[in-house]
Amino acid sequence: EDQVTQSPEALRLQEGESSSLNCSYTVSGLRGLFWYRQDPGKGPEFLFTLYSAGEEKEKERLKATLTKKESFLHITAPKPEDSATYLCAVQAGDNFNKFYFGSGTKLNVKP
Amino acid sequence: DAMVIQNPRYQVTQFGKPVTLSCSQTLNHNVMYWYQQKSSQAPKLLFHYYDKDFNNEADTPDNFQSRRPNTSFCFLDIRSPGLGDAAMYLCATSRDSNQPQHFGDGTRLSIL
Repeated sequence: EDQVTQSPEALRLQEGESSSLNCSYTVSGLRGLFWYRQDPGKGPEFLFTLYSAGEEKEKERLKATLTKKESFLHITAPKPEDSATYLCAVQAGDNFNKFYFGSGTKLNVKP
Repeated sequence: DAMVIQNPRYQVTQFGKPVTLSCSQTLNHNVMYWYQQKSSQAPKLLFHYYDKDFNNEADTPDNFQSRRPNTSFCFLDIRSPGLGDAAMYLCATSRDSNQPQHFGDGTRLSIL
């Protein structure tokens, strides 16, 4: 059964305390893995796309990596404005017609 | 400069009374998606359109229908809302099937 699992469910960090969020997946025919940020009452905001194992993408304090079984979102020296729920999503299938979201990691960065 | 616009932001309807949610886009993207997101849960894909081709997820209830009259607009119809249909409904678009999705800010649906 296709599955996307994110851990931890919630993460509290002090400002400047680096950490990583995990997204593990079991799907056949991975077409892409996407990271999104979601603020309360808002729709998800696109961050990164990763298409193949070994690929890395970076933006400001965020860096996403991909292996054949999981992806990590590394947050370096986070700031309070990085507080949000981070969602990963996996696209799979011969027709790109399967799209699964994880349930997210709620990040709280304290000043 | 909102690119995916959902109306209304908040919708209240009565149990069993049909309701329509709307989504418009200024991106001219080929694909439009509808998701249901309940509190603290993952967004769940209901269906999507690739251009005019409709793709229904296998476990989407028959109570949920969709229309895409043109490239810019897509509607979600809930024929007989039940209490379990209370949720945030998210619309998203993408240029093509394997491209990132751009989301609207959602419509929060409440059922009385």
